Amino acid sequence: EVQLLESGGGLEQPGGSLRLSCAASGFSFSTYAMSWVRQAPGKGLEWVSAISGGGGSTFYADSVKGRFTISRDNSKNTLDFQMNSLRAEDTAVYYCAKSRRYSTNDAFEIWGQGTMVTVSS
Amino acid sequence: SYVLTQPPSVSVAPGQTARITCGGSNIGSKSVHWYQQRPGQGPVLVVYDDSDRPSGIPERFSGSNSGNAATLTISRVEAGDEADYYCQVWDAGSEHFCVFGTGTQVTVL
Repeated sequence: EVQLLESGGGLEQPGGSLRLSCAASGFSFSTYAMSWVRQAPGKGLEWVSAISGGGGSTFYADSVKGRFTISRDNSKNTLDFQMNSLRAEDTAVYYCAKSRRYSTNDAFEIWGQGTMVTVSS
Repeated sequence: SYVLTQPPSVSVAPGQTARITCGGSNIGSKSVHWYQQRPGQGPVLVVYDDSDRPSGIPERFSGSNSGNAATLTISRVEAGDEADYYCQVWDAGSEHFCVFGTGTQVTVL
């Protein structure tokens, strides 16, 4: 069974850091691009970052560029998201999502259940 | 930046047809994907590349895309279809980024 399991969320103060992880299973991880998508409480979906299957190409939304870093370890089937200089507006459920193909510009065919990040003093 | 506009809500009686639009400039030139999100759950892909269905998605879900609007159609609506629905495209342009629509809440009367 294809599965994505996020972890690492929690409460952090403004200006602080958090590292999210997504453990993948049930598919050939290195063959597919991966993304992080977030959803603020009561709001819609917002894509924040993507990485190609090999990890050589990364992309970020303007809202997080320069603060967040996406990476992957294909030997461990894990996707990571280093979040620095956190702001209140980063408060959201963060979903890990698998693309249909190796390249990033495709549909997200599998989603995790999400991990909540709260930025507040 | 590229904007995708959806109606905030659509109401439909069981057994009838729900149509959800997704408006964007020349969206007909892009591949549109649709997601269903039930309360408290992660999104589920229901249509990709304008009109294709992933395995396990009922044939009642269909999509079309032309001009400045894409449409998700849910035929023979069931109570279990009550959810939020989002359209999504990739808009490379000068920046490689992904855009979600504003979302539509479907209520089954």
